[in-house]
Amino acid sequence: SQQGEEDPQALSIQEGENATMNCSYKTSINNLQWYRQNSGRGLVHLILIRSNEREKHSGRLRVTLDTSKKSSSLLITASRAADTASYFCATAQRGNKLVFGAGTILRVKS
Amino acid sequence: EAGVTQFPSHSVIEKGQTVTLRCDPISGHDNLYWYRRVMGKEIKFLLHFVKESKQDESGMPNNRFLAERTGGTYSTLKVQPAELEDSGVYFCASSPGWNTGELFFGEGSRLTVL
Repeated sequence: SQQGEEDPQALSIQEGENATMNCSYKTSINNLQWYRQNSGRGLVHLILIRSNEREKHSGRLRVTLDTSKKSSSLLITASRAADTASYFCATAQRGNKLVFGAGTILRVKS
Repeated sequence: EAGVTQFPSHSVIEKGQTVTLRCDPISGHDNLYWYRRVMGKEIKFLLHFVKESKQDESGMPNNRFLAERTGGTYSTLKVQPAELEDSGVYFCASSPGWNTGELFFGEGSRLTVL
């Protein structure tokens, strides 16, 4: 079964607006991470939230985790054209073995 | 400090041929991972090395795939013989510890099997 499903699959917003992406998963986890992938490039780690944490901030990023609902959200505030990319959530049950979702394609229009 | 580097960036081969992908992890990272993304699907785990030992190879799809990490430095992933369904992007990642959280990814090797 698939772990880590993001929604929406695609999101298009104007520069300056906020972007929210959601992720759901199925099994218990040790941590949940968000990665960004610019077109044709590698995955870049954005933020990690542990299973005993509920919210975490990093710059313009805010991540929440609800283990009772097995879901997480990534909020990017004051989006910029440079934020245009694919965003993936990934869960880790043990160690660094990650299970990725299908990703959300974010397009920020300037 | 150099990041994770992968070679080649893109390979186009005929069905039945052999391809070898290479990954150089960040210096000092004992943990090395291979993932792949087949077109339109999720990024999936293939295997995990700790130094030169295979810690977890549960994601390797079949015996046409062979991964090695001689001397615990760079790693190779060989596909022999390649099939059409092997087309996709193969990502390598490394980390200093086995439970440190963040993985550092290379830019991937795109494999196209015709």
